[in-house]
Amino acid sequence: LAKTTQPISMDSYEGQEVNITCSHNNIATNDYITWYQQFPSQGPRFIIQGYKTKVTNEVASLFIPADRKSSTLSLPRVSLSDTAVYYCLVGDDNNNDMRFGAGTRLTVKP
Amino acid sequence: DTGVSQDPRHKITKRGQNVTFRCDPISEHNRLYWYRQTLGQGPEFLTYFQNEAQLEKSRLLSDRFSAERPKGSFSTLEIQRTEQGDSAMYLCASSQGQVNGAFFGQGTRLTVV
Repeated sequence: LAKTTQPISMDSYEGQEVNITCSHNNIATNDYITWYQQFPSQGPRFIIQGYKTKVTNEVASLFIPADRKSSTLSLPRVSLSDTAVYYCLVGDDNNNDMRFGAGTRLTVKP
Repeated sequence: DTGVSQDPRHKITKRGQNVTFRCDPISEHNRLYWYRQTLGQGPEFLTYFQNEAQLEKSRLLSDRFSAERPKGSFSTLEIQRTEQGDSAMYLCASSQGQVNGAFFGQGTRLTVV
């Protein structure tokens, strides 16, 4: 199971673009990269998932370089409501568990 | 409501009592996960079911913890002889395969006094 490393915390201001990078040096060929968002007293919420290159949805973009040893979650023009913990997970459909790390605590300031 | 449902949302119990939590996953999802989360930490994996089979169980899950998923539908997590260290948020998630992402319930917050 590929281990992930993320910054413990990040600060930003409203309207800025935020990029959170996750390292996963031991990612396997069949592994996907998935990001979750968690607000206090709620369960994590799926944000985005990708395998390679770039994936974009209405919430975020996910950039994955060719070697796939890292990935970057990009949140455009953050608002105060984007203050949350963001988790990066790596795994494929054969994994029998999904293991979360400590995540990145993003604080958006006015 | 087609989301993951957990019951109860909150539970206060005295040390030494048994508690049982229920999770109703999204109906077509074959995978179900249980996690425990304490303040400031990421969710800790407890156990995983694929349909009715319990395929993975964390070492965190002591013999006081047991989980079931009869008929591959809802699941229950029971904690026997609760201890103060069991106080945490217990989260349930379901998915149809992992690569499609998982959907989490709101959790059950357990307080052992």
